[in-house]
Order: sequence, then C-alpha cells, then structure tokens
Amino acid sequence: QSALTQPPSASGSPGQSVTISCTGTSSDVGGYNYVSWYQQHPGKAPKLIIYDVNKWPSGVSDRFSGSKSGNTASLTVSGLQAEDEADYYCSSYAGSNSWVFGGGTKLTVL
Amino acid sequence: QVQLQESGPGLVKPSETLSLTCAVSGYSISSGYYWAWIRQTPGKGLEWIGTIYHSGNTYYNPSLESRVTVSVDTSKNQFSLKLTSVTAADTAVYFCARRGRETRGGYNYVAYYFDSWGPGTLVTVSS
Repeated sequence: QSALTQPPSASGSPGQSVTISCTGTSSDVGGYNYVSWYQQHPGKAPKLIIYDVNKWPSGVSDRFSGSKSGNTASLTVSGLQAEDEADYYCSSYAGSNSWVFGGGTKLTVL
Repeated sequence: QVQLQESGPGLVKPSETLSLTCAVSGYSISSGYYWAWIRQTPGKGLEWIGTIYHSGNTYYNPSLESRVTVSVDTSKNQFSLKLTSVTAADTAVYFCARRGRETRGGYNYVAYYFDSWGPGTLVTVSS
C-alpha cells in the first residue's frame, strides 16, 4: 500500500472555486467507488465531508463536491469561504478491509 | 451521538510498546460497527493502522501488521491498540474512529468511510 498523492497546497480567493486532486492506483482509487474526503482544522480531528466519491454526509455543505476519473479523484470547493481554510485528506478503500490515505492538501483562502 | 476518546501515555521509549485505549460513549460497541485506529505523522498525512469488529475480527495495515494488535473489550465499551518495538518514526497523533454503516431497506451495510473520530492523542517516542 502506498499513500495517495495530493498536492501539498492549494489556494483561492473568497467566492472562487478550487479543486484538489488525489491520485492512486487501480488497486485503490481506480478500483472502487469508495473515495472519501476529510476536512481537518488545526488541532482538530478530521471531519468527513464527502464519501463514496460524490455523496454528502448529513449537514455538510453542498459547496463541497467530489468526482473521479480513472485513478484520480478530485474535491472541488465552490464559493470559497474563510472557514474553508483547512487541511484536506482523501482516502480510498483498497480491498481486503484496508484503507489508504493521501498526504493532505493545505487549502489557503487568500 | 457516538463519542470516542483516546487515552494512554504521551511518551514512550524506543523499542518499547505503545498502548492506547479508545473509550466509546453514546453507542454500545457490541451492537455492531467496525472500529479503527488511524495515525497522523508530521509531513506524512494520515495512515490507517487497523480495524476491529465487535466480534474481535481484526484487519491490519500490512506495513505495520507484524507489530500491531487491536483488541476490543465490550464489557468496558472500549477498544485498544498495541504497537511493539516503537521507533521515532512512530511518533504521531493517534486517532480512534468508527467505520460508517448505512441502512437501506431495513438492513445495515458496512460503509467505506470513517464517520466519527476521537480528538486524537499525541504519542512521542523518545528516550
């Protein structure tokens, strides 16, 4: 198992949209529609914001959206707000009751 | 609303065993769900360590499997992590989490994400 690849940083101005990529392999991202995304503010636990590639947990803003093409998944944050500044992690099921996470992307709202 | 809380020593010496416990409240572990340990190391993001079902079935990250044991104590409504022969590379914030579950048509199905997390506990490996 290797970690999923995410860009270390991303940024955008308030109101803009930003997309964060997450690249894996055919054994994880490409092999299952079980990609999830987590938002983590400093000193806090990760919070689930997208599951099964493009579904929202109850209470999560629809400004967050997910997609997948081949071995790469993406998270788009629309209408950027100051509160969106956080670290974002992707995760994928990798078969046999195992999971792999990405290295995280620090999103800065300019 | 389920709540999870990690506890254990914040400092462990190299070559010794790291032991953590996750206390679960608001839900009975014996009623189902899978429970997991995940860690976060500086600069390396999150890493899944292992998962346990209430019945005791366990699943481990192959890269850590030789050193990891996850166990469950339903009488205390908690589950635990033991990581042997630790080195500085095991210094991390350790989270316990619950694997999600979905209900459709009156049946429960395991989900493929972690929907509840503890606040995390920092464990430093140093002499």
